[in-house]
Amino acid sequence: GAVVSQHPSRVICKSGTSVKIECRSLDFQATTMFWYRQFPKQSLMLMATSNEGSKATYEQGVEKDKFLINHASLTLSTLTVTSAHPEDSSFYICSAREAALIGTQYFGPGTRLLVL
Amino acid sequence: SQKIEQNSEALNIQEGKTATLTCNYTNYSPAYLQWYRQDPGRGPVFLLLIRENEKEKRKERLKVTFDTTLKQSLFHITASQPADSATYLCALLTRTGNQFYFGTGTSLTVIP
Repeated sequence: GAVVSQHPSRVICKSGTSVKIECRSLDFQATTMFWYRQFPKQSLMLMATSNEGSKATYEQGVEKDKFLINHASLTLSTLTVTSAHPEDSSFYICSAREAALIGTQYFGPGTRLLVL
Repeated sequence: SQKIEQNSEALNIQEGKTATLTCNYTNYSPAYLQWYRQDPGRGPVFLLLIRENEKEKRKERLKVTFDTTLKQSLFHITASQPADSATYLCALLTRTGNQFYFGTGTSLTVIP
């Protein structure tokens, strides 16, 4: 199946710093990428939908100035958590969808963020 | 309101038995329904996709059914093994939407 990578897999940072997470589709072109957040023992919560070359669409309650998304190419989307606070600590997962396969999405391995 | 519910939070079964997981939805018109496996601290792994006009899909020991009248999908793992222990998520994509909506997940434990 298609492969999606995320980097870093784990990050610890101080409160007030910004953290960038990369999501790459390795063997296919992803016109759409999704960013999710997951709390322990809970399901995935969609944060935003990212389309290549256009602005991301954020879900209700997600601050776009706090969570900056850039989808600069068909294989790369980045999520930057700006001025991170302890409550931003979570598991962040991206997924990517192939242009021709509308019904399928592939997930990255996730990034564990801990803000001290 | 829109909801996607998976049968129980946790399911324990004996090795060798068939595990059946349920995904029920309300106020959605899904065009596609997917099942994923997620291990602790990892991203979900795609297992099976079924379209609204399909009744059943199989892949090795996995079987998915989709009943749009009952608004329900069943996910079966036959001859279950301890390695099948994980959380299983259903997700659906509507005809008009661009995003997947996820169920709450069911944690399956297969007891040796």
